[in-house]
Amino acid sequence: KAGVTQTPRYLIKTRGQQVTLSCSPISGHRSVSWYQQTPGQGLQFLFEYFSETQRNKGNFPGRFSGRQFSNSRSEMNVSTLELGDSALYLCASRQGGEETQYFGPGTRLLVL
Amino acid sequence: GESVGLHLPTLSVQEGDNSIINCAYSNSASDYFIWYKQESGKGPQFIIDIRSNMDKRQGQRVTVLLNKTVKHLSLQIAATQPGDSAVYFCAENQGGSEKLVFGKGTKLTVNP
Repeated sequence: KAGVTQTPRYLIKTRGQQVTLSCSPISGHRSVSWYQQTPGQGLQFLFEYFSETQRNKGNFPGRFSGRQFSNSRSEMNVSTLELGDSALYLCASRQGGEETQYFGPGTRLLVL
Repeated sequence: GESVGLHLPTLSVQEGDNSIINCAYSNSASDYFIWYKQESGKGPQFIIDIRSNMDKRQGQRVTVLLNKTVKHLSLQIAATQPGDSAVYFCAENQGGSEKLVFGKGTKLTVNP
């Protein structure tokens, strides 16, 4: 099976812009979670989607949002970008009923 | 608050030696623990997991030990190889929650 894929892999934006990141889970996985990774804060949970519904949310401002489509693909959106949003954004998928999450390669976002 | 931390930020070993990476967790309600390996420029890669009803689990060259009494988790890597050089993260999944809480990571360097 193909692994979790994320697009784009690299992105440069300026403050105030918005960005949309995409994640395709492993085939058959219906749960998709998003994490932000920075050198200072490490890996932090953003949110999780299962069957197009957000089931869990981390402590991030409302500028961070996401959605999941009927084919389990997920997108996350960050509006009004700030310099501190520069990070590696990771997507992970898992099968329903199982706990092991498998990560994609991430999208490296740089906000200038 | 709940957190998962690591005792050492860096670990340097000689090729062929055994490596031990430690992790402390604070939430006694956590019932699932997982170790990930992250190489530079890549997403975290699943290594091994363990449930709270076990105290030891073995994989290929890796062993995870769980001591619930002192809330301590360790990853042992046998015959460490240069390809094992990476950052290792432990994470916990608190019962009923789909989100993983990650430690800060330990950077393992294997010297030839």
